[in-house]
Amino acid sequence: GAVVSQHPSWVICKSGTSVKIECRSLDFQATTMFWYRQFPKQSLMLMATSNEGSKATYEQGVEKDKFLINHASLTLSTLTVTSAHPEDSSFYICSATPLQMTYEQYFGPGTRLTVT
Amino acid sequence: RKEVEQDPGPFNVPEGATVAFNCTYSNSASQSFFWYRQDCRKEPKLLMSVYSSGNEDGRFTAQLNRASQYISLLIRDSKLSDSATYLCAVNRFTGGGNKLTFGTGTQLKVEL
Repeated sequence: GAVVSQHPSWVICKSGTSVKIECRSLDFQATTMFWYRQFPKQSLMLMATSNEGSKATYEQGVEKDKFLINHASLTLSTLTVTSAHPEDSSFYICSATPLQMTYEQYFGPGTRLTVT
Repeated sequence: RKEVEQDPGPFNVPEGATVAFNCTYSNSASQSFFWYRQDCRKEPKLLMSVYSSGNEDGRFTAQLNRASQYISLLIRDSKLSDSATYLCAVNRFTGGGNKLTFGTGTQLKVEL
């Protein structure tokens, strides 16, 4: 149980294009999903908290107009990196907390984004 | 000061050794604590939650010391397959909901 999927697994795109990443909870419903970013040899950094049916809460320093988050249902959240630049190249990971739990987060397999 | 701090390692240990990692956190309002395991280029996987009373899962033992604000992970009889990065994570409630903050991770390499 508690499986989270992410698509795509990896993507290479040209500078200036937009990339959408999907995060799905496969066998549970999640009111809250989280988006993290991890640069090489660094820890996961929370970008934003996404609640179903409401606007995402962004961490300080994360541009909400650049990283668009949509949480349309209890099983799906999307992150769109708009006008991507090489410095946006990173490992993007989502996680979800099941409805019946408070603190535990289950992570998706991550999406490796490379912007050329 | 970082909210969660860990020694990055790497810790190189022989197979069968016992190894311990510590993690300190700065926010006394933190409510729950976890150890995650992350393999290279993969997502973190929850290893265990950490409770004040201490908890054990097979070869793994986790402890929480709220007074000193640190958590620990002990791995006994280490296996080659234990080689990974171990992340401690601390959860607290903020105005925006629950927030999980990760340490930078401690790299463990178990060798023959």
